[in-house]
Amino acid sequence: DIQLTQSPSFLSASVGDRVTITCRASQGINNDLVWYQQRPGKAPKLLIYAASTLQSGVPSRFSGSGSGTEFTLTLSSLQPEDFATYHCQQFKSLPLAFGGGTKVEMK
Amino acid sequence: EVQLVESGGGLVQPGGSLRLSCAASGITFTDHHMDWVRQAPGKGLEWVGRIRDKADGYITDYAASLEGRFTISRDDVEKVLYLQMNNLKTEDTAVYYCARRNCRFPHINCYSDYWGQGALVTVSS
Repeated sequence: DIQLTQSPSFLSASVGDRVTITCRASQGINNDLVWYQQRPGKAPKLLIYAASTLQSGVPSRFSGSGSGTEFTLTLSSLQPEDFATYHCQQFKSLPLAFGGGTKVEMK
Repeated sequence: EVQLVESGGGLVQPGGSLRLSCAASGITFTDHHMDWVRQAPGKGLEWVGRIRDKADGYITDYAASLEGRFTISRDDVEKVLYLQMNNLKTEDTAVYYCARRNCRFPHINCYSDYWGQGALVTVSS
């Protein structure tokens, strides 16, 4: 089974900061990686798929990169509505796996 | 409006059963694989299982940790996805989400683009 390790688990930042979250896969998954945003009490929201393709309607301050085993999600300038938890997920093979999540909190 | 709406959650005793439903509206349902994902209180997301579409034979796959206790089915006429949960354990307590799977290419670069609002299942005596 493929495991995903996200880091950091928690991140304190301010509005306007550049934020980077990493997701590492235990084996190569090509570019079959997805990023979601989840606000408290809400369902996950798709941000990026195929490692770097922005979902329609998602602001361009979000970007994703990587291939193989290492991936990053970058928020170029943190906005108030971006304080949330971010999850990565691999779709390369079953069982599908999620990273442990990264909670972005206000400093 | 695009919607996936779960129902059927609630409180159940250990060893009991529960069936969740996920009704789709405003989106195509028939031609998509569908997933169930759960989230225990204060924890991360956990994949539960998947049912393929008719073209792929409605084949189901599950997380091994479920030990055969859960069954996913679908009604493409009514556009409803189901999760039958038997012999429930306290560790099954979670919010359960249904999600539609989409892919950039057939079975490649897939992702969950629509999610339900979640149904809370509490297993407790």
